[in-house]
Amino acid sequence: AAGVIQSPRHLIKEKRETATLKCYPIPRHDTVYWYQQGPGQDPQFLISFYEKMQSDKGSIPDRFSAQQFSDYHSELNMSSLELGDSALYFCASSLRGTSGDGQQYFGPGTRLTVT
Amino acid sequence: SQQGEEDPQALSIQEGENATMNCSYKTSINNLQWYRQNSGRGLVHLILIRSNEREKHSGRLRVTLDTSKKSSSLLITASRAADTASYFCATDIRIKAAGNKLTFGGGTRVLVKP
Repeated sequence: AAGVIQSPRHLIKEKRETATLKCYPIPRHDTVYWYQQGPGQDPQFLISFYEKMQSDKGSIPDRFSAQQFSDYHSELNMSSLELGDSALYFCASSLRGTSGDGQQYFGPGTRLTVT
Repeated sequence: SQQGEEDPQALSIQEGENATMNCSYKTSINNLQWYRQNSGRGLVHLILIRSNEREKHSGRLRVTLDTSKKSSSLLITASRAADTASYFCATDIRIKAAGNKLTFGGGTRVLVKP
């Protein structure tokens, strides 16, 4: 079965650079979520999209933005990168509505290292 | 403050023993999910238990949910070295119609010694 795809899997950037992470949800899933997991931390919710509209927002810095496109893939854009942005970034997708049970399916993550 | 907290933070057991970890949360939930993560890798969904369920089984996994105490437990029976990982609970509070974000607990690091 198709899973959530994230690219790139690894990314190394310097401070003050920008980065774009991509997420391709499971086909027919209508909701995408982004989470950030710092070293030794638990995942923290950043932002989510339902049917291409932002549906919820967590502790996402103003330097970060995200969107979901017409084909349901999503991109997380990060600007003015800081050392503290080094983390694993997970994308997850789910199917909402009566046919969905709320289970989120996670991608393998993108490991961002800021030097 | 965290929605979910896990206990213990770390657990070391011998292969074949059972491992139990607990998760507490603060607000009402729609469901609670357990995930497993091998060191620095992806999150693998283990089991989802809805707020109207009290116990659920999946293979060697047993999850309980006590909404009156706002707590859940994950039991891994007959543990194997391959079960070595971090285990997270995550709650879905679905306070509004759109975007049921998950709030993760602190995680329990389990080491199963051969």
